[in-house]
Amino acid sequence: DIQLTQSPSFLSASVGDRVTITCRASQGTSSFLAWYQQKPGKAPKLLIYAVSSLLSGVPSRFSGSGSGTEFTLTITSLQPEDFATYYCQQLKSYPFTFGQGTKLEIK
Amino acid sequence: QVTLNESGPALVKPTQTLTLTCTFSGFSLITNGVGVGWFRQPPGKALEWLALIYWNDDQRYNPSLTSRLTITKDTSKKQVVLTMTNMDPVDTATYYCARSYNTLDAFDIWGQGTMVAVSS
Repeated sequence: DIQLTQSPSFLSASVGDRVTITCRASQGTSSFLAWYQQKPGKAPKLLIYAVSSLLSGVPSRFSGSGSGTEFTLTITSLQPEDFATYYCQQLKSYPFTFGQGTKLEIK
Repeated sequence: QVTLNESGPALVKPTQTLTLTCTFSGFSLITNGVGVGWFRQPPGKALEWLALIYWNDDQRYNPSLTSRLTITKDTSKKQVVLTMTNMDPVDTATYYCARSYNTLDAFDIWGQGTMVAVSS
C-alpha cells in the first residue's frame, strides 16, 4: 500500500494568511494525487486532481503542486470558509489511500 | 445535476451483515470511465477507501476488508450496493459513496454520508 503522510496535522492561521500543507507518499504516485476539503459533519469536497488541476468552481486561491513523492496544497489569502480539514489521496494504485488529514483552524 | 445519496440502517448488531445503497442521478454507470466508490470515516478519524465498481463491472476492494465486502451495481435502478459482513463495533463510521471519472482520476461528487453504529 502507498502510505501518505500529511504535515502538519494541525495548522493555526489567520484570515488573509498564506498556508501550505504537505503530503508525502511512501512511493511515487505519478500524477494520481488529489486534495479534498472536509468541514465538520459534511462530505469531502474535491478541490484539486492530478496534482495541480483545479476542479471547476473551486476558488483560484487554492493550488496544488509537486511530483514524485512530495506534494503541496497552498491556499493564498485564507478566507473564513477555508477553515476545515484537508486530505490528500493517491489513486496511483489500489488500495486508494488518504493522508491522516490536516486540520486548519482560525488563530 | 449529479447527486448521490446513501441509505441503510443506522444501527446494526455485531456479526450482522450491513447493506448500504447508493442511489445516484445525473450520470450513468454505463458511461466509459465512470465508477462509484464507497468510503468510510470513523468518528474523529481519517477517510478510508473501501471498494469501487466501474462502468464495465470491474470491482476493486481494499485488501484489508476484501473478504467482508461485496460491491454490485444496478444500472437500471441507478444504484450501487455495498455489503459488509460480520460487522464489529470498530466498523462504526459514516459511510460515503462518491463518483469517479477517469478523466479526473479522483472522486468528484460525494453523497452526504450515512452514519452506521455497530452495537448490541
